[in-house]
Amino acid sequence: DAMVIQNPRYQVTQFGKPVTLSCSQTLNHNVMYWYQQKSSQAPKLLFHYYDKDFNNEADTPDNFQSRRPNTSFCFLDIRSPGLGDAAMYLCATSRDLAGYTDTQYFGPGTRLTVL
Amino acid sequence: EDKVVQSPLSLVVHEGDTVTLNCSYEVTNFRSLLWYKQEKKAPTFLFMLTSSGIEKKSGRLSSILDKKELFSILNITATQTGDSAIYLCAVDNYGQNFVFGPGTRLSVLP
Repeated sequence: DAMVIQNPRYQVTQFGKPVTLSCSQTLNHNVMYWYQQKSSQAPKLLFHYYDKDFNNEADTPDNFQSRRPNTSFCFLDIRSPGLGDAAMYLCATSRDLAGYTDTQYFGPGTRLTVL
Repeated sequence: EDKVVQSPLSLVVHEGDTVTLNCSYEVTNFRSLLWYKQEKKAPTFLFMLTSSGIEKKSGRLSSILDKKELFSILNITATQTGDSAIYLCAVDNYGQNFVFGPGTRLSVLP
């Protein structure tokens, strides 16, 4: 049974047209993460929520925003997508703040194409 | 259903030991297999493997892929306490999605 679900799996948008990606989890984990992954690079952490506490990475562009209305759901909003934002977006969860002691559970990703 | 299985899930060794981490997979449209090391919030990239039988090396770490038997191993020789981490294996399902394994938690004791 899927534990971290991402919708849609594929998203095509136009340059500058806002887009929202969705992530939901059935694990009741405290922490939810959004990553951007391009080709074979390591996933780049954009931000994470610890419960309702939002934590933005220093180099995450302002163009990327996130909402977590409840424990189960987290959204990634890209306000004005550029061509460079085309990537796979991964959502992950962990029971506590991930690190050596707490692994992350990843969703299948949403592939974003910007035309 | 696409899946990635890692074993063992947890491993405790002493400094200087050699460890082998295993990753097996079943996916519909394999493109590549990736190994990551997770110490903090975000995993760091170790290797990407696309071809069978070609070993990739980086210092004390090495990895190889067997596309016939659908598995990969990650070897760490002369382990150090700094190698303590969760090692994640993921498969790129030809751009459709990434399928991550549950990770192997490695503890290296002094």
